[in-house]
Amino acid sequence: AQSVTQPDIHITVSEGASLELRCNYSYGATPYLFWYVQSPGQGLQLLLKYFSGDTLVQGIKGFEAEFKRSQSSFNLRKPSVHWSDAAEYFCAVGNRDDKIIFGKGTRLHILP
Amino acid sequence: SAVISQKPSRDICQRGTSLTIQCQVDSQVTMMFWYRQQPGQSLTLIATANQGSEATYESGFVIDKFPISRPNLTFSTLTVSNLSPEDSSIYLCSARPDYQDTQYFGPGTRLLVL
Repeated sequence: AQSVTQPDIHITVSEGASLELRCNYSYGATPYLFWYVQSPGQGLQLLLKYFSGDTLVQGIKGFEAEFKRSQSSFNLRKPSVHWSDAAEYFCAVGNRDDKIIFGKGTRLHILP
Repeated sequence: SAVISQKPSRDICQRGTSLTIQCQVDSQVTMMFWYRQQPGQSLTLIATANQGSEATYESGFVIDKFPISRPNLTFSTLTVSNLSPEDSSIYLCSARPDYQDTQYFGPGTRLLVL
């Protein structure tokens, strides 16, 4: 069955610290992988995506993610978080001809 | 990319009434989608709305409760019918521009049913 697991419901980091949000997926075909961010009261904004090629992808706002096929993972990273990064982060998996399946999300809290 | 707007941004409705949500895309797209995000939850796909065909509903969602229109390549509506408090959610539309592999989302409509 197709699924996305984000094992951390909440994560708290200090401003300026590094961040890694975990995402594991189960998908029968070659996956398209996405990270979206939802700020309070806002819709979803695409941070980055992976379809093929270089397994380390760069996104907006200084985020990057690494696709590891052997671990079925697509973890999101940022070297130094800012207070404005506080939001809900969703990992998603899909295919061009199929629907996108979202994880349950990780809420990121930033300590000043 | 695509810029997507939704109206209304929020509404408070009485039990038993209906709410129609409009979704406008700034470019012509074949595929549009409607999602529900219940409080504190992730997104659940309600249906796929392709222009020129009937909407395709996911398991647990039926046309009588969530009728969808797709009159042209830039516009879609979702109606949530016979509202109950359990329908209180954020409803989001998205679009996947032709020749792209990414869905772009609108800002959502926050519905509270009393």
